Amino acid sequence: GESVGLHLPTLSVQEGDNSIINCAYSNSASDYFIWYKQESGKGPQFIIDIRSNMDKRQGQRVTVLLNKTVKHLSLQIAATQPGDSAVYFCAENKGGGNKLTFGTGTQLKVEL
Amino acid sequence: ETGVTQSPTHLIKTRGQQVTLRCSSQSGHNTVSWYQQALGQGPQFIFQYYREEENGRGNFPPRFSGLQFPNYSSELNVNALELDDSALYLCASHSRGTGGGHEQYFGPGTRLTVT
Repeated sequence: GESVGLHLPTLSVQEGDNSIINCAYSNSASDYFIWYKQESGKGPQFIIDIRSNMDKRQGQRVTVLLNKTVKHLSLQIAATQPGDSAVYFCAENKGGGNKLTFGTGTQLKVEL
Repeated sequence: ETGVTQSPTHLIKTRGQQVTLRCSSQSGHNTVSWYQQALGQGPQFIFQYYREEENGRGNFPPRFSGLQFPNYSSELNVNALELDDSALYLCASHSRGTGGGHEQYFGPGTRLTVT
């Protein structure tokens, strides 16, 4: 069935290092993929998205890579900061309209 | 912080009761989606409202219903509450058909506990 899943439930990195959060998806028909950040007690916050016809997209300190061959999505955070500590979700948007399918999330912990 | 607001922040209900949750969309956004997020899980799509009508529904029973008002705000109603309905209920809004971007903005959520 359709699913969006994450490889690791928890990722610990040192402050200043780069973080890579991975996500696998099974629905090849998705129009685009989105990464969200959710801090404790808050709703998900949009980070970056990528259309299914792209391989890479860069934002401020973040890069998303899409490998359609192996149905894999990753979020790279450069120079990770304590404020980056949160749960990160990948989500897919099939057919547009923002009726999103989310994965279970990866907890990113930044160690000082 | 987004411009999406939700009320109440927290709510405790008893099994079998009914609950209404409220959401005000971000200014300029005409579409509202509701999600259920169980503890430790990703949000699950419940339904979406556009032009005051339901525009897509996830795998949720009919006791989950909603409304959208002319000012684009929305309500989520859940009847005959069950213990498994305990979750964080998230509202998200975006602009459809107005030439705006597709980015969807989430509110802080309503934490519902069913005892």
